Amino acid sequence: DAGVIQSPRHEVTEMGQEVTLRCKPISGHNSLFWYRQTMMRGLELLIYFNNNVPIDDSGMPEDRFSAKMPNASFSTLKIQPSEPRDSAVYFCASSLQGSDTGELFFGEGSRLTVL
Amino acid sequence: AQSVTQPDIHITVSEGASLELRCNYSYGATPYLFWYVQSPGQGLQLLLKYFSGDTLVQGIKGFEAEFKRSQSSFNLRKPSVHWSDAAEYFCAVGASWGKLQFGAGTQVVVTP
Repeated sequence: DAGVIQSPRHEVTEMGQEVTLRCKPISGHNSLFWYRQTMMRGLELLIYFNNNVPIDDSGMPEDRFSAKMPNASFSTLKIQPSEPRDSAVYFCASSLQGSDTGELFFGEGSRLTVL
Repeated sequence: AQSVTQPDIHITVSEGASLELRCNYSYGATPYLFWYVQSPGQGLQLLLKYFSGDTLVQGIKGFEAEFKRSQSSFNLRKPSVHWSDAAEYFCAVGASWGKLQFGAGTQVVVTP
């Protein structure tokens, strides 16, 4: 049973370049979350979708960040242009809202380094 | 505003000894409370959760946690740790599935 799949696992890029992170949630899950993890700020929720619709993007740091979910099985988080302070591990997670398990399933993360 | 405090950044424990990780939260209503574990290079895995009912909850890998409303705490315990329990542990609080506020984490080191 496949879990949340993220790609790439590692990305090294130069400042000013566009970065696209991808996520495939668990089949059947209706909510998808993007989190960012840094040493300084810990785990922060960036945005989440319910039934492919963005519900809360208040955690998105600035306009350079955008996220889409064109269908139930795919989401992207884009940073354009990237900056060194965007270096972090970005996690995608999915869950089934309305279930009684309440479990958030995380992917293995995408480690981004912006030089 | 909701917040989660994990007072211990780092804990070292001997294999076979007991472990307790502290978590305090601030929340306007009865929260959903979670403990997650993260092994190096991995995503987070749910250990246990509390929504309502029995305040002592059992989780995977032999962990348990107790919700104490009067103390706004949700401490995680394990009677006897194994070397494989070395990881980072996160307490989280939230009102709905996935929109969670995480604590800063506690790094657990297990010595032989």
